[in-house]
Amino acid sequence: AQKITQTQPGMFVQEKEAVTLDCTYDTSDPSYGLFWYKQPSSGEMIFLIYQGSYDQQNATEGRYSLNFQKARKSANLVISASQLGDSAMYFCAMREGTDNDMRFGAGTRLTVKP
Amino acid sequence: EPEVTQTPSHQVTQMGQEVILRCVPISNHLYFYWYRQILGQKVEFLVSFYNNEISEKSEIFDDQFSVERPDGSNFTLKIRSTKLEDSAMYFCASSLLAGEGPEGIQYFGAGTRLSVL
Repeated sequence: AQKITQTQPGMFVQEKEAVTLDCTYDTSDPSYGLFWYKQPSSGEMIFLIYQGSYDQQNATEGRYSLNFQKARKSANLVISASQLGDSAMYFCAMREGTDNDMRFGAGTRLTVKP
Repeated sequence: EPEVTQTPSHQVTQMGQEVILRCVPISNHLYFYWYRQILGQKVEFLVSFYNNEISEKSEIFDDQFSVERPDGSNFTLKIRSTKLEDSAMYFCASSLLAGEGPEGIQYFGAGTRLSVL
């Protein structure tokens, strides 16, 4: 069963604007972690931000924030003040408390336009 | 800043040959992982490793795959007899601990692109 769903294969945003990348997840485990990774065209996977299932507040890391809506099982990534260097694939991932593996979504390709 | 390093960045091999992909995890991390990403597809979990043994593996990780920590720093993935469909980017990752908490954040290397001809 699909555990992580990213419904936007591609997104465009104007430089300096904010953009939201969607992610929904499915789990019956009360303990889980949600992660976002960035994959530029060079191929590496860069960790961006983490949200725990028990965290009361939305996670923030610089220009990245996570809009965590637990009841809706969504963990959208918000990038503020987009920069050209933000153009990349973005993957949402989840790790459930009982598992060692991390499940990834299909990714969203973000293009920042000058 | 500590990072996961992988070598080589690109490996070309003939079908049926053995390949070893190498990784140096972050030095104080205890859990190590291999993932693969076939071109244009999602990232897939292969195996996790802790305390010198496999802790979890996916159905992709069949008998042609093996992992090893031959010394205190390296972590390797061996593919015994490569097939065309093994062509992919292989990522090594490490985390301080397991679990869903922040100590379980997995940091990835830059990947090894494996091309099987």
